[in-house]
Amino acid sequence: EVQLVESGGGLVQPGRSLKLSCAASGFTFSNYYMAWVRQAPKKGLEWVATISTSGSRTYYPDSVKGRFTISRDNAKSSLYLQMNSLKSEDTATYYCARQGGAPDYWGQGVMVTVSS
Amino acid sequence: DIQMTQSPSFLSASVGDRVTINCKASQNINKYLDWYQQKLGEAPKLLIYNTNSLHTGIPSRFSGSGSGTDFTLTISSLQPEDVATYFCLQHNSGLTFGSGTKLEIK
Repeated sequence: EVQLVESGGGLVQPGRSLKLSCAASGFTFSNYYMAWVRQAPKKGLEWVATISTSGSRTYYPDSVKGRFTISRDNAKSSLYLQMNSLKSEDTATYYCARQGGAPDYWGQGVMVTVSS
Repeated sequence: DIQMTQSPSFLSASVGDRVTINCKASQNINKYLDWYQQKLGEAPKLLIYNTNSLHTGIPSRFSGSGSGTDFTLTISSLQPEDVATYFCLQHNSGLTFGSGTKLEIK
């Protein structure tokens, strides 16, 4: 069974940093692209980042480019999201997802609140 | 960037009704359009990928159609457990979600 479990969320002040983690199991992690998607409270879904199987290629929308960094450790079946210079508009539930073309399996999400 | 316009934003229908939700892309996305169901407090769940392929374990009352820029999700016979918000997603270039359709039972 595919399982994705996010961790590392919490309350952080504007301008500070936070690193999210996602532990994967139930599939061969190194064979899949992986992604982060977020959802602000009572809002729609927004893609945050994607990483290739080896980690050599990363992709971001303009809204987070230069502030967020996606990475992975295939030996640990783990995905990460380093978030720097956080803003109030980054407040959201962050989901990791396996991306085999379409993001097909998602974690339960982790809440990040950016507030002073 | 590709924009996705989803309609309607709200839909109320009776059990057994046929329901359709539409998504329009701002440019050709080939077949790379997916549909998700999100129930309150839960993560999104993939229903349909690449326009018309049913994801594992999804009931056959869900189907997808379309091509190029115009796509449709159809629920052939609405069930009470289908109450949820539905999102489309294009994965032709990056990922762009539609704004969602909240579906309720009349």
